[in-house]
Amino acid sequence: DVKVTQSSRYLVKRTGEKVFLECVQDMDHENMFWYRQDPGLGLRLIYFSYDVKMKEKGDIPEGYSVSREKKERFSLILESASTNQTSMYLCGAGSTGELFFGEGSRLTVL
Amino acid sequence: GQNIDQPTEMTATEGAIVQINCTYQTSGFNGLFWYQQHAGEAPTFLSYNVLDGLEEKGRFSSFLSRSKGYSYLLLKELQMKDSASYLCAVSPRDSNYQLIWGAGTKLIIKP
Repeated sequence: DVKVTQSSRYLVKRTGEKVFLECVQDMDHENMFWYRQDPGLGLRLIYFSYDVKMKEKGDIPEGYSVSREKKERFSLILESASTNQTSMYLCGAGSTGELFFGEGSRLTVL
Repeated sequence: GQNIDQPTEMTATEGAIVQINCTYQTSGFNGLFWYQQHAGEAPTFLSYNVLDGLEEKGRFSSFLSRSKGYSYLLLKELQMKDSASYLCAVSPRDSNYQLIWGAGTKLIIKP
């Protein structure tokens, strides 16, 4: 099975700070994804990448950017964090359906 | 628009059977997936249906009716460890990468 590791389980940041969320997968898979998960809503796709340096916007890319310089690493960047970006962020890797997720990064923006 | 509906919460008794329903309206259909997510943990893949009918995998089964836009996840011989959220997701035909996700059903198992 693919193992997906997210760098931070819990983060607390202040409004306006730059935030980096790192994700590493160990199975050489082309596709990687960043989702956010909020209570009462389904997972919402922020960005996905289907190859190194390739990225496509998901449903809610505003306020986020991504970087994929190496196949195993996919980073989510919040250039200027805002309180409405307080959420659980999930990184995934794999095929369209059978995604393998990291443990999640719970971000609180004060 | 595209939409997936599933009940917010269900309660069942240990040892019993429970059925979690999922209805969808999407621009296309390329498969339906069920994931399990324990509190504070990552979602994990349970099942995939692309053709109509029932797919059985141990205590868990998943059913699909494409004409009705309907699926259910059936859990038998419930155990306390089955307490989790169950997420339904659809792959629309017009997207190779994006899944449409339901909000999830929180299943509470009581002794």
